[in-house]
Amino acid sequence: GAVVSQHPSWVICKSGTSVKIECRSLDFQATTMFWYRQFPKQSLMLMATSNEGSKATYEQGVEKDKFLINHASLTLSTLTVTSAHPEDSSFYICSARPSSGSRTDTQYFGPGTRLTVL
Amino acid sequence: AQSVTQLDSQVPVFEEAPVELRCNYSSSVSVYLFWYVQYPNQGLQLLLKYLSGSTLVKGINGFEAEFNKSQTSFHLRKPSVHISDTAEYFCAVSWSNQFYFGTGTSLTVIP
Repeated sequence: GAVVSQHPSWVICKSGTSVKIECRSLDFQATTMFWYRQFPKQSLMLMATSNEGSKATYEQGVEKDKFLINHASLTLSTLTVTSAHPEDSSFYICSARPSSGSRTDTQYFGPGTRLTVL
Repeated sequence: AQSVTQLDSQVPVFEEAPVELRCNYSSSVSVYLFWYVQYPNQGLQLLLKYLSGSTLVKGINGFEAEFNKSQTSFHLRKPSVHISDTAEYFCAVSWSNQFYFGTGTSLTVIP
């Protein structure tokens, strides 16, 4: 149990285009999901906290107009990188925290999405 | 503020030897502690977690960790490593619904 999927697993796009990444909790509901960015050989950097039915909370230094987050249901959050540039190339990982039950203290991570902007 | 320190960025170890990956945290409040493993080009997989109770926590793949409140440590151990344990390991602290990650330790198991 506690499976989180991400789609796509990798994407290559041209500079200036927008890319949408989906994060789904497959076997549990998640009021809260998180979006992280990871650079090579580095730790995860929290970008934003996504709350179902309300606006996301962005970490300091993260442009909310560039990284659009929509948490439309209890099992789906999307991250859209708008007008992507090469410096946005990175590994994006989402996580989800169960809304109820005995696992609400734990975040479960998706497999990540490798974004390459040419 | 919460912070997590993983002192060893890289740990090479021979196959079937024991290993300890160190994690120290700083927090003025009670926190939850986690260890995650990341294989190349994959997300994070939960190895084990400490919420309360017994300070020795057993996880998957033969790993265990011990919570030491006085030393604010949560070191990860395995008595005998396997080639398949080669991966990046992250220690994390959870407080107020936020996760704070260490910088990671790259474990390389040498045949």
